[in-house]
Amino acid sequence: DSGVTQTPKHLITATGQRVTLRCSPRSGDLSVYWYQQSLDQGLQFLIQYYNGEERAKGNILERFSAQQFPDLHSELNLSSLELGDSALYFCASSVVGQPQETQYFGPGTRLLVL
Amino acid sequence: AQTVTQSQPEMSVQEAETVTLSCTYDTSESDYYLFWYKQPPSRQMILVIRQEAYKQQNATENRFSVNFQKAAKSFSLKISDSQLGDAAMYFCALSNSGYALNFGKGTSLLVTP
Repeated sequence: DSGVTQTPKHLITATGQRVTLRCSPRSGDLSVYWYQQSLDQGLQFLIQYYNGEERAKGNILERFSAQQFPDLHSELNLSSLELGDSALYFCASSVVGQPQETQYFGPGTRLLVL
Repeated sequence: AQTVTQSQPEMSVQEAETVTLSCTYDTSESDYYLFWYKQPPSRQMILVIRQEAYKQQNATENRFSVNFQKAAKSFSLKISDSQLGDAAMYFCALSNSGYALNFGKGTSLLVTP
């Protein structure tokens, strides 16, 4: 158990819908990362937050947005969902979000868009 | 741009034997960090080992060790005394000033009795 929690574990929804994925980092970690794992794109970095502020952005679509709240939990919002958004979404956390730190991953949320 | 390449989509090893998974990378930065993550069928991402680029000594964690060749930009993972529980997808990853992990496509390791 990494100490990072993600809810829900599974999500099935329809095209055009909007969903919210939630992540709670390890106790004491200030930085949260979101990654998407799909069969065709592999593991891709989406976005990073540090202490409530956006720090880095990767291949995140405009239909996707995220935020980190004062209690440090983070939410990833996916809207106007398409079939291609079906993937495993990971949240990871680290202490202060520096590149030398180990990132600890949550169990992931498996999203299926029908 | 930085890239991480794992050229072996699948590897197989017998129990108790040794296997080496390959990884090459490209980055223009001099300060970076390399990681191997394991993803078993449960899909959980688990850190196996990490290496700081400024350290010449290869990292070791129990049965797992790396061969870090900085000039060749190579970072291979050696698993000794392979166990059935080692069967998983293994990802090589790089991080530097961009903060996020940049992953390779992964190598699926099969362990046979």
